[in-house]
Amino acid sequence: GENVEQHPSTLSVQEGDSAVIKCTYSDSASNYFPWYKQELGKGPQLIIDIRSNVGEKKDQRIAVTLNKTAKHFSLHITETQPEDSAVYFCAALVRSYIPTFGRGTSLIVHP
Amino acid sequence: GAVVSQHPSWVICKSGTSVKIECRSLDFQATTMFWYRQFPKQSLMLMATSNEGSKATYEQGVEKDKFLINHASLTLSTLTVTSAHPEDSSFYICSARDAVGSDYEQYFGPGTRLTVT
Repeated sequence: GENVEQHPSTLSVQEGDSAVIKCTYSDSASNYFPWYKQELGKGPQLIIDIRSNVGEKKDQRIAVTLNKTAKHFSLHITETQPEDSAVYFCAALVRSYIPTFGRGTSLIVHP
Repeated sequence: GAVVSQHPSWVICKSGTSVKIECRSLDFQATTMFWYRQFPKQSLMLMATSNEGSKATYEQGVEKDKFLINHASLTLSTLTVTSAHPEDSSFYICSARDAVGSDYEQYFGPGTRLTVT
């Protein structure tokens, strides 16, 4: 089955800095890679996703890059703000299959 | 759009009792719903996948007689924790896939905090 590794487990940055979270996956058949943001005591919310036919996707301050050859994908947050503080999960899945989640990254943005 | 609700948001129950958690898709029909369990500072652990009108598929190690899942309609799935014990205390999260939408995307509910005393 699929295995998703996520790093780092904790990321502390100053407001305004950039944050990068990286994930690797094992199943070359995986073709959908979502990123979720989970605030304390709440369910995960999809913030951005990318499909295997695209190398990069951007939505305002958030971007995701995908390298299918190396089987890794990354989340980039620019100009971080305190409200970006949360736990971020990456996931990988094949169409209609069950997503496999990374272990999560706790992002702390210091004002 | 694509809103999933859960009820209750938190519940405290005594050991040995049963508790039911509801998961509803508010503005779409969900043929498939998922139930996850999350321990503090850990990732989501898939417990089971439920398809409307059929029996749920449980992940290895999840007791189907303890965690009863019913998906009786396209907008409602329920998880019943039977004979709850303190070790069942956790954050339970459901998610749903839109029946006419992408095969990939799933929408998460806000979670239910269960505490068994």
